Amino acid sequence: DVKVTQSSRYLVKRTGEKVFLECVQDMDHENMFWYRQDPGLGLRLIYFSYDVKMKEKGDIPEGYSVSREKKERFSLILESASTNQTSMYLCASTPGTSYGYTFGSGTRLTVV
Amino acid sequence: GENVEQHPSTLSVQEGDSAVIKCTYSDSASNYFPWYKQELGKGPQLIIDIRSNVGEKKDQRIAVTLNKTAKHFSLHITETQPEDSAVYFCAASRSDYKLSFGAGTTVTVRA
Repeated sequence: DVKVTQSSRYLVKRTGEKVFLECVQDMDHENMFWYRQDPGLGLRLIYFSYDVKMKEKGDIPEGYSVSREKKERFSLILESASTNQTSMYLCASTPGTSYGYTFGSGTRLTVV
Repeated sequence: GENVEQHPSTLSVQEGDSAVIKCTYSDSASNYFPWYKQELGKGPQLIIDIRSNVGEKKDQRIAVTLNKTAKHFSLHITETQPEDSAVYFCAASRSDYKLSFGAGTTVTVRA
């Protein structure tokens, strides 16, 4: 089975800190995604990457950046964490178009 | 971009009854419609999907129907069991592999 691993299940950070969320997939998938999940809003796309060093903004990229130096790893960066970035963050990967995503278990980030 | 609306937001059913969740989408070019189930403390997991050249697909107790003309699709769960309690998300995409998700439906199966 494809495995998508997010490095932390729970994180607590202070306002203004730079935060790194890491995601690794083990099936050589081309495409990787970062979503945030909030009650009543579903999953909203932050950034995605369709190849190494390639990235595109999703629907809510403000306050975030990403890095994909290797095919298997996709990092989400909160440049200066704010309380409104408290959320569940989900990483996903897929091999190509019209295929289902495989999600990680999520990272619940609390910014205080 | 694509806009996916999902109803209801919560659904409570008696064990053994059926559950139906409905979604509508806005982009007529969307051609792929997956459904995900998210259990507590886990990431969403794909349970069934349908492509635009198919009107209905079934896998044991779950089925999905698609009406391209009306731009809506539905998830049907029959003979519900307690392990069906979870949050369900619908999604839609065009062939550019980005999925747009509905807001989710919390399903509770009462014993």
